[in-house]
Amino acid sequence: AQSVTQLGSHVSVSEGALVLLRCNYSSSVPPYLFWYVQYPNQGLQLLLKYTTGATLVKGINGFEAEFKKSETSFHLTKPSAHMSDAAEYFCAVSERNQFYFGTGTSLTVIP
Amino acid sequence: DVKVTQSSRYLVKRTGEKVFLECVQDMDHENMFWYRQDPGLGLRLIYFSYDVKMKEKGDIPEGYSVSREKKERFSLILESASTNQTSMYLCASSSPGAADHFDTQYFGPGTRLTVL
Repeated sequence: AQSVTQLGSHVSVSEGALVLLRCNYSSSVPPYLFWYVQYPNQGLQLLLKYTTGATLVKGINGFEAEFKKSETSFHLTKPSAHMSDAAEYFCAVSERNQFYFGTGTSLTVIP
Repeated sequence: DVKVTQSSRYLVKRTGEKVFLECVQDMDHENMFWYRQDPGLGLRLIYFSYDVKMKEKGDIPEGYSVSREKKERFSLILESASTNQTSMYLCASSSPGAADHFDTQYFGPGTRLTVL
């Protein structure tokens, strides 16, 4: 069965520090992979996605993620956290006409 | 710019009322989805539709129904609202991807429904 695991439901970083949000998935076929961000009382907004090709994908707001097939991972990173990055982040996987979301990671940025 | 709109941002209803949540997309997408989002539970799929008048149950369809009479509009109906349906409801749409994968889902702003 397909699953998406986000390690750490809450992550805190200092402003200017590296952001690393972890996502692992299980899939029987090459999936599409996504990261979304959700600000309070808003819908989800696409940060970046991987479908095929280059395994390092760049998204909006300075975020990037790397697809590692051998590790079944798609971790999200940003070199330097800003206060405006404080939000909920969701990893998602699409395969065989099903869309699976992780349970989310709440990112806090400490000034 | 892509756009998914939902009829209300906040809604308060009473137990037993029939509730309609409307969602409209302007991207000519075939697929549309309704989710509910609750703290600690993430997003849970209620129903999705892959074409006009077509629908498929998601993970938690009980107590809900849907309607898709036009491609751009997907409605979620709570036949008799109950307090355990108090939640944030999110609508999304997507185009088909390759190899039977759904492509990017675009989300509306959400409707926060409170049932008293």
